[in-house]
Amino acid sequence: EDQVTQSPEALRLQEGESSSLNCSYTVSGLRGLFWYRQDPGKGPEFLFTLYSAGEEKEKERLKATLTKKESFLHITAPKPEDSATYLCAVQASGGADGLTFGKGTHLIIQP
Amino acid sequence: AAGVIQSPRHLIKEKRETATLKCYPIPRHDTVYWYQQGPGQDPQFLISFYEKMQSDKGSIPDRFSAQQFSDYHSELNMSSLELGDSALYFCASSHPLAGGADTQYFGPGTRLTVL
Repeated sequence: EDQVTQSPEALRLQEGESSSLNCSYTVSGLRGLFWYRQDPGKGPEFLFTLYSAGEEKEKERLKATLTKKESFLHITAPKPEDSATYLCAVQASGGADGLTFGKGTHLIIQP
Repeated sequence: AAGVIQSPRHLIKEKRETATLKCYPIPRHDTVYWYQQGPGQDPQFLISFYEKMQSDKGSIPDRFSAQQFSDYHSELNMSSLELGDSALYFCASSHPLAGGADTQYFGPGTRLTVL
């Protein structure tokens, strides 16, 4: 069974204080790993797709990396508007469509 | 850019009633997915459709059914509603990407409350 574990569950940072969120995964065959941002009561907003170990993607203050067992979402010099829940999800190979999500990391950036 | 559209955005039903949720995918996206997110939970995959055919099935209760129509919009039909069905229901859509995973773009969700 596919499993995704995210840590920490919650993280409080000062504005400008960089950090990393972790996503460990177990999947029979990885078709893709996805990072989403979700604000309360809203739909997950797509951030990145990673396909293979060693891949990195970057967007503004966010950078996602992937190894064979985990992914990291690095946040550089965050701003209060980066406060949200960050979700990691995997899609398995072999024809499965559904994403398996982790529980998310609730990130709060204090001014 | 156009996004996934879901309607209604909010729905209140009584126990044992039925509900129908609608999803309009991003133009040219031909795969639609449904997810359920309970309070404080992560989204759980229910079902997906590709080219109007059921593609994959997750933890969808037998009381629920879904279909995709010729214009690619999808409807999730929920019968004999229970209190535990209260949740956010998300629709997502994607377009096939040869050799890789299909990135799923989520709609704003329908908040279903069962009283």
